[in-house]
Amino acid sequence: VLTQSPRTLAVTLGQPASISCRSSQTLLHSDGKTYLNWFQQRPGQPPRRLIYKVSARDSGVPDRFSGSGSGTDFTLTISRVEAEDVGIYYCMQDTHWPTFGGGTKVEI
Amino acid sequence: QVLLVQSGSELKRPGASVNVSCGASGYPFSNFVLNWVRQAPGQGLEWMGLVNPNTGNPFYAQDFTGRFVFSVDTSVGTAFLQISSLKAADTAVYYCARGSALDVWGQGTTVTVSS
Repeated sequence: VLTQSPRTLAVTLGQPASISCRSSQTLLHSDGKTYLNWFQQRPGQPPRRLIYKVSARDSGVPDRFSGSGSGTDFTLTISRVEAEDVGIYYCMQDTHWPTFGGGTKVEI
Repeated sequence: QVLLVQSGSELKRPGASVNVSCGASGYPFSNFVLNWVRQAPGQGLEWMGLVNPNTGNPFYAQDFTGRFVFSVDTSVGTAFLQISSLKAADTAVYYCARGSALDVWGQGTTVTVSS
C-alpha cells in the first residue's frame, strides 16, 4: 500500500512544495533498483509520468520537479511552483505488481 | 513519436458488454507490455492489470478478474479491453499505458453505464 500526504496541498506561486509517499513494504527490488514513479494529472487530461526510479526525470519535465527517497519513504518536490503545476499527483510503484498512491491535489 | 490512441466514449446499459481499443504507434508493439488503468469519477487511479503483446498472456489485478478480458492483435498493433455484464460501478475513464513503468498513456476512454 502506498500512502500519500497531504491529500490536498495549497501552495503559493514561486514557493516550494513537497509531497510524501510512504510504502507499507520496501520498494528496493532484488536487482538493486527502486521502482517508484511520480505522475501528474492536470484537470481533464490523462496522467503524465514525471519521475521514474525515484529520481530520474522524464524527457521534457521541467527541472523544478525532483524526486528523492529510498526504501519505504519518498518525496516529490517542486522547487518553485508555477500556475501550470495545478493538478493531482500520484506516486506509483512497480517493484511489485503496480499500485498507485491515493493522490495529492495541488492547488494555488 | 510514441502514441497510444484509444477508442471513443461509450454509453451502455447495465448487463451489456463494451470493448475499448488502444492503438499503438511509434515503437515496436511487442517490446512493451500494455497496462489498463481505471479512474472512476472523482477518484484516483487503479491498476487493472496488463497484457504481454509477445505472448498474448494477460495478468489481472485482484479486483478485475472474471468480467474483464485483455487481448491484443499484434498485426495491427492494438490492445483491447472487454468488460462484460456491465454495472453502474463500471462507469469510469479507462486508460491504456505502456511498459512496466507506464511511461506513455492513451487519452482515455469514458465508459458510462446507465439505464
